[in-house]
Amino acid sequence: GAGVSQSPRYKVTKRGQDVALRCDPISGHVSLYWYRQALGQGPEFLTYFNYEAQQDKSGLPNDRFSAERPEGSISTLTIQRTEQRDSAMYRCASSLMAGSGTGELFFGEGSRLTVL
Amino acid sequence: DQQVKQNSPSLSVQEGRISILNCDYTNSMFDYFLWYKKYPAEGPTFLISISSIKDKNEDGRFTVFLNKSAKHLSLHIVPSQPGDSAVYFCAARSFGNEKLTFGTGTRLTIIP
Repeated sequence: GAGVSQSPRYKVTKRGQDVALRCDPISGHVSLYWYRQALGQGPEFLTYFNYEAQQDKSGLPNDRFSAERPEGSISTLTIQRTEQRDSAMYRCASSLMAGSGTGELFFGEGSRLTVL
Repeated sequence: DQQVKQNSPSLSVQEGRISILNCDYTNSMFDYFLWYKKYPAEGPTFLISISSIKDKNEDGRFTVFLNKSAKHLSLHIVPSQPGDSAVYFCAARSFGNEKLTFGTGTRLTIIP
């Protein structure tokens, strides 16, 4: 597609439920990133992939959070047993290749998660 | 521990004047810095970047200055236009690390 596409745009769930957030990067982009942004804060790194390989997951807050990119394109961020503190905007970004050029990341519009 | 700090939450500037947005960092391992711009209901978009081997990078109306000794960078927009009204995020990363560390953002309002 023309840009990074994320779905759902909005997700409201009850505490304890699992949620899956999807990201479809720009076609041909090798690197894919997940960030989380709380209100009034900047994006906070969660994890990133080159192709299907998860290169860095140091930003995942705990083992309830996981991400995959099985075919090197679409990625899913899964949060198990959601808690209210998980409420945030989850942003996906892609780039041609990590470490290349200006380091420009192309961000999607985000998935806003609200845990009741 | 906020490693990238934008101490001004908001800034208002008259159209046509210069806008100066500031950013400070504490991690001396950071060697690459970026500015992103964000409009409401959209994702951040890349604006300009600078490597630590430079002290200035210019792209049209936008110039980023880096003062490594002070661990400070600034974004200058001149002349400011109404379309520049947005939230601006400063970000940094260290060599070999793809993780970007963002500041909390500065909301710039250009007054016509």
